[in-house]
Amino acid sequence: GENVEQHPSTLSVQEGDSAVIKCTYSDSASNYFPWYKQELGKRPQLIIDIRSNVGEKKDQRIAVTLNKTAKHFSLHITETQPEDSAVYFCAAAGGGGADGLTFGKGTHLIIQP
Amino acid sequence: GAVVSQHPSRVICKSGTSVKIECRSLDFQATTMFWYRQFPKQSLMLMATSNEGSKATYEQGVEKDKFLINHASLTLSTLTVTSAHPEDSSFYICSAPSIGISYEQYFGPGTRLTVT
Repeated sequence: GENVEQHPSTLSVQEGDSAVIKCTYSDSASNYFPWYKQELGKRPQLIIDIRSNVGEKKDQRIAVTLNKTAKHFSLHITETQPEDSAVYFCAAAGGGGADGLTFGKGTHLIIQP
Repeated sequence: GAVVSQHPSRVICKSGTSVKIECRSLDFQATTMFWYRQFPKQSLMLMATSNEGSKATYEQGVEKDKFLINHASLTLSTLTVTSAHPEDSSFYICSAPSIGISYEQYFGPGTRLTVT
């Protein structure tokens, strides 16, 4: 089955700086790679996703890059703000997003004021 | 966007009893739904795929006789935790893929199960 590795487990950055979280996956059949932000006791909130026919996607301060050959994808957050503090999960799935998701272990992002 | 609900949001049950959790897609039909479990400070783990009108498929290591899944209609899947034990205490979340321009998973708000 699919295996998703996520690093780092904790990331502390100064407000206004950039944050990068990296994930690798093992199953070449995976073709959908979402990123979620989760606050304590809440459901995961989709912040951005990318499909395997695209190498990069950007939405305001958030961007995701995908390297299919190396089987890794990364989340980039620029101009970080205190409200960006949360746990972030990467995930991978096949079926263009119709299949069940395999999640990374999560990154606790801390924005230092 | 599409909406998925779960009921109850919190439940406390005694060891040895069973508890049922409902997952509903409110404004779209879902032939497939997924059930995840999340222990405190851990990631979400896919437990099983719920298939409307057929048997659920379980991930490796998940006991199908303990976690009974029924997907009786295109908008409802239920997860029953049978003979619950304290180690079953967890956050259970369902999701359903909705087709827009492309698939996206919509998550329910989760159910916090505490077994005493």
